[in-house]
Amino acid sequence: GQNIDQPTEMTATEGAIVQINCTYQTSGFNGLFWYQQHAGEAPTFLSYNVLDGLEEKGRFSSFLSRSKGYSYLLLKELQMKDSASYLCAVKGKNNAGNMLTFGGGTRLMVKP
Amino acid sequence: DGGITQSPKYLFRKEGQNVTLSCEQNLNHDAMYWYRQDPGQGLRLIYYSQIVNDFQKGDIAEGYSVSREKKESFPLTVTSAQKNPTAFYLCASIDHPLGTSYTEAFFGQGTRLTVV
Repeated sequence: GQNIDQPTEMTATEGAIVQINCTYQTSGFNGLFWYQQHAGEAPTFLSYNVLDGLEEKGRFSSFLSRSKGYSYLLLKELQMKDSASYLCAVKGKNNAGNMLTFGGGTRLMVKP
Repeated sequence: DGGITQSPKYLFRKEGQNVTLSCEQNLNHDAMYWYRQDPGQGLRLIYYSQIVNDFQKGDIAEGYSVSREKKESFPLTVTSAQKNPTAFYLCASIDHPLGTSYTEAFFGQGTRLTVV
């Protein structure tokens, strides 16, 4: 089966850096996604990691360690608009093939 | 423009009624998914389909049904057997081009279902 854990809530200050962690246990691994979701809206794609290491995309970076079953999303130069939920999702395998499973999400509050 | 479209955006259902939520994509993606999201919670997988005419149950399939007769379409029916259907429903599709490790998942805008 699949098990994905993230902190429920985090708070950070505008202009600062925040790291959101995600640990996972899956049967098979075919990649890890990070999404941003503002309240009442659909998630939007932030990043995808399938190999170990750091992927950087502007203010956002995502890191993966497959041996540790661990990923983090790093947000730099925080802005008020970054207040949202951040969802970690893993593409794993069951007997039927690939499936995409989400963690419960981390609600990030950015304060002035 | 390519994309994934869900309709309607808001849906009201009387108790005991079946309702069908639409999900259409013109991205030529093989895999499509349905998720349910309750307030303040993450996404829970209802059903998914890897190819046409094939679909699999997710973690919370009871009270739901799907079909995949065309690559572009993956409708979800919420039946009267689903005792607590009020939620935000999200459809997603995934592209995995052959010969690459790249994968991207796209979401529709969601359907908010309320039982009245």
